[in-house]
Amino acid sequence: AQSVTQLDSQVPVFEEAPVELRCNYSSSVSVYLFWYVQYPNQGLQLLLKYLSGSTLVKSINGFEAEFNKSQTSFHLRKPSVHISDTAEYFCAVSSSFGNEKLTFGTGTRLTIIP
Amino acid sequence: DTAVSQTPKYLVTQMGNDKSIKCEQNLGHDTMYWYKQDSKKFLKIMFSYNNKELIINETVPNRFSPKSPDKAHLNLHINSLELGDSAVYFCASSHWGRNTGELFFGEGSRLTVL
Repeated sequence: AQSVTQLDSQVPVFEEAPVELRCNYSSSVSVYLFWYVQYPNQGLQLLLKYLSGSTLVKSINGFEAEFNKSQTSFHLRKPSVHISDTAEYFCAVSSSFGNEKLTFGTGTRLTIIP
Repeated sequence: DTAVSQTPKYLVTQMGNDKSIKCEQNLGHDTMYWYKQDSKKFLKIMFSYNNKELIINETVPNRFSPKSPDKAHLNLHINSLELGDSAVYFCASSHWGRNTGELFFGEGSRLTVL
């Protein structure tokens, strides 16, 4: 079984400032890692994912995350945030061995301050 | 075109009633899911169907009964509703076996039990 811990439930950040949302996972098997974003009153959308290969993965809107196996982390970063980044961000993990069952963290609410 | 659509979006009902939420996807996926998001935004998988066959069944009261008439539809019926059933229920879909972790979510159905 896998589990995910998102250490910060809320993160307020000034516009154009950098941000890091933390995610740690626990698993007895190798994993795939994901960040999903939920904008207000919407469903979740995949932001980025790590399956294999380069440990640094990037999204089209400037976010990036780095898989760190030794620290069992997959922190999400953005060098300069915009008002439109205000959303709930969920880290998720699945086993790399088969089923599509995603285990989500409890989410981090990112609030951008103008 | 909505990829994953759920109806109704909002549902307010009394304790003890029976209600259904419907989900349809037009992405050609073969796997569909129901997730429950509680008031603290915690997302937990309830069920998953692959080609109309139940493949994931988490510890969910048997008052909850999913039904998949075909691989494009997954409905959720809830009997004898309780206060604790109040939540946002998300339907999602994916291609089974690709294990890319990319689930496509609907916009959610907010159920309020009074």
